[in-house]
Amino acid sequence: GAVVSQHPSWVICKSGTSVKIECRSLDFQATTMFWYRQFPKQSLMLMATSNEGSKATYEQGVEKDKFLINHASLTLSTLTVTSAHPEDSSFYICSAAAGQGSEKLFFGSGTQLSVL
Amino acid sequence: GENVEQHPSTLSVQEGDSAVIKCTYSDSASNYFPWYKQELGKRPQLIIDIRSNVGEKKDQRIAVTLNKTAKHFSLHITETQPEDSAVYFCAAGGGGGNKLTFGTGTQLKVEL
Repeated sequence: GAVVSQHPSWVICKSGTSVKIECRSLDFQATTMFWYRQFPKQSLMLMATSNEGSKATYEQGVEKDKFLINHASLTLSTLTVTSAHPEDSSFYICSAAAGQGSEKLFFGSGTQLSVL
Repeated sequence: GENVEQHPSTLSVQEGDSAVIKCTYSDSASNYFPWYKQELGKRPQLIIDIRSNVGEKKDQRIAVTLNKTAKHFSLHITETQPEDSAVYFCAAGGGGGNKLTFGTGTQLKVEL
């Protein structure tokens, strides 16, 4: 199957700092990527849809100024958690459709963010 | 928007028994229903999917059924093995692009 790479796998940061998470499609081009947040033993909550070359579409209740998404190329989307606070600590995971028009989503390995 | 409900939240079976997980969805426009398996600390892995023009699909020990009229779909795992233990998520989408709405997950435990 298609491979989606996500880095870093875990990060610890101080409150008030910003953290950037990268999501790459390694063997296919992804015009659309998705960013999710997952709390322990809970479901995947869609945060935003990342579109190559245009602004991301955020889900209701997600602060776009806090969670900055950039999708500058067909293989890379980034999520920056700005001015992180302890309540932002979570597992963040991205996914990408395996080819334009494909419904099959493949996930990155996730990033565990801990804000002290 | 789409709303997906999933039951049960936890499921414990004996090795060799069958396991069934059920999901319902709300948006009649949804036409794609994948199932993902997520082991602890790992990424969700697509295990099987079904489209609305098909009522049932099988892949070895895994099968999925879809009742589009009732808006529900189910995952069936036969001859369960300890390595089937994981969290399983259903999802629905396709009604508007490839955005998926996930169910709340089922923790499956296969006991020896």
